[in-house]
Amino acid sequence: AQSVTQPDIHITVSEGASLELRCNYSYGATPYLFWYVQSPGQGLQLLLKYFSGDTLVQGIKGFEAEFKRSQSSFNLRKPSVHWSDAAEYFCAVAPWGSGYSTLTFGKGTMLLVSP
Amino acid sequence: DGGITQSPKYLFRKEGQNVTLSCEQNLNHDAMYWYRQDPGQGLRLIYYSQIVNDFQKGDIAEGYSVSREKKESFPLTVTSAQKNPTAFYLCASREGTGRTDTQYFGPGTRLTVL
Repeated sequence: AQSVTQPDIHITVSEGASLELRCNYSYGATPYLFWYVQSPGQGLQLLLKYFSGDTLVQGIKGFEAEFKRSQSSFNLRKPSVHWSDAAEYFCAVAPWGSGYSTLTFGKGTMLLVSP
Repeated sequence: DGGITQSPKYLFRKEGQNVTLSCEQNLNHDAMYWYRQDPGQGLRLIYYSQIVNDFQKGDIAEGYSVSREKKESFPLTVTSAQKNPTAFYLCASREGTGRTDTQYFGPGTRLTVL
């Protein structure tokens, strides 16, 4: 079975500084990978996803993520953080195949943005 | 406006009572999901359904039940057998089984047992 690890429970970044959120997965083959964001008391919104091809994936709100097979990682990055980026971020994995049915989520990283 | 609606937003229940959480989608999606979210635990899958009149247990199905009588609706019942039901519940849907399909989430229902 696949699993996802987000090593950082909380991260604090100054507004305007760069951001990197870590995600490591455990799976026997190349999985499908996702990053979602959740504002307090809200549902999840998809930021970006990786299925195949170019290992650098662009998403919404200026986010990008890079798939590194050798490190089993899919880290999320943003060059300049805005106060509105403060939220909880979830990495998720689905098994490779033509019809995946379920996602496995990491436990999340809470991003705090300081002025 | 297309999307996923969950109602109510906040729900209070007395111990020993069953309660049903509503999830409706007008996206014409085939698959629907229920997740439970607890602080620091991420999302855990309760039940999912890939087609009408069919559903499968997820990782934490004990104490929960579902039905899928219509494509657009996937209600979740939290029964009195669920030992610790206080949590945030999220419903999601996915358009099909294609490899590029994405799960979309509703706004959630916060259930509190008094």
